Amino acid sequence: DGGITQSPKYLFRKEGQNVTLSCEQNLNHDAMYWYRQDPGQGLRLIYYSQIVNDFQKGDIAEGYSVSREKKESFPLTVTSAQKNPTAFYLCASGHKAFFGQGTRLTVV
Amino acid sequence: GESVGLHLPTLSVQEGDNSIINCAYSNSASDYFIWYKQESGKGPQFIIDIRSNMDKRQGQRVTVLLNKTVKHLSLQIAATQPGDSAVYFCAENYYGGATNKLIFGTGTLLAVQP
Repeated sequence: DGGITQSPKYLFRKEGQNVTLSCEQNLNHDAMYWYRQDPGQGLRLIYYSQIVNDFQKGDIAEGYSVSREKKESFPLTVTSAQKNPTAFYLCASGHKAFFGQGTRLTVV
Repeated sequence: GESVGLHLPTLSVQEGDNSIINCAYSNSASDYFIWYKQESGKGPQFIIDIRSNMDKRQGQRVTVLLNKTVKHLSLQIAATQPGDSAVYFCAENYYGGATNKLIFGTGTLLAVQP
């Protein structure tokens, strides 16, 4: 089945650690996006990529990094520079932004 | 600036009534708008979209209206059902420089009372 897959569903990070969230799609979409969602809030754009080997910062890129080496994959790294990383992270692909099921990251 | 906002953060309706969720956008250059439904703990699901050259688009039980004059978007849900209870987001496709990106509003919680 075609779709977009995020993993893991739940992730726990110790303070000072970098963690990488996976996002894979087999929809042949050029565009991919990463959003952050805090409880009771909307979606804020972290990074987006319109094509392989190219990506742009969104509204809250500080403390995050991405890569787009393959069309199918757009991993997000939450670095230790992100002071408040606990949130629900959503990846999307395509012009109509089909979303994955999200990764809930908690700092312990 | 660029922003998409919603007038009503919470909307409570009776089962069987029609629901109307509103959204304001600020960027005249946005050419495409989407409504999403998000259930608790899940990713947003695409509901319906509309291009800026249209005023109205209908789907199954849903209608999106676009008023470019006042930069307003609405989602109408007919005969609202308990399964419609969720957070609804509007998003605009904004062109900034050489790229475009989707900007989301805050969201409206729709609570359907049986």
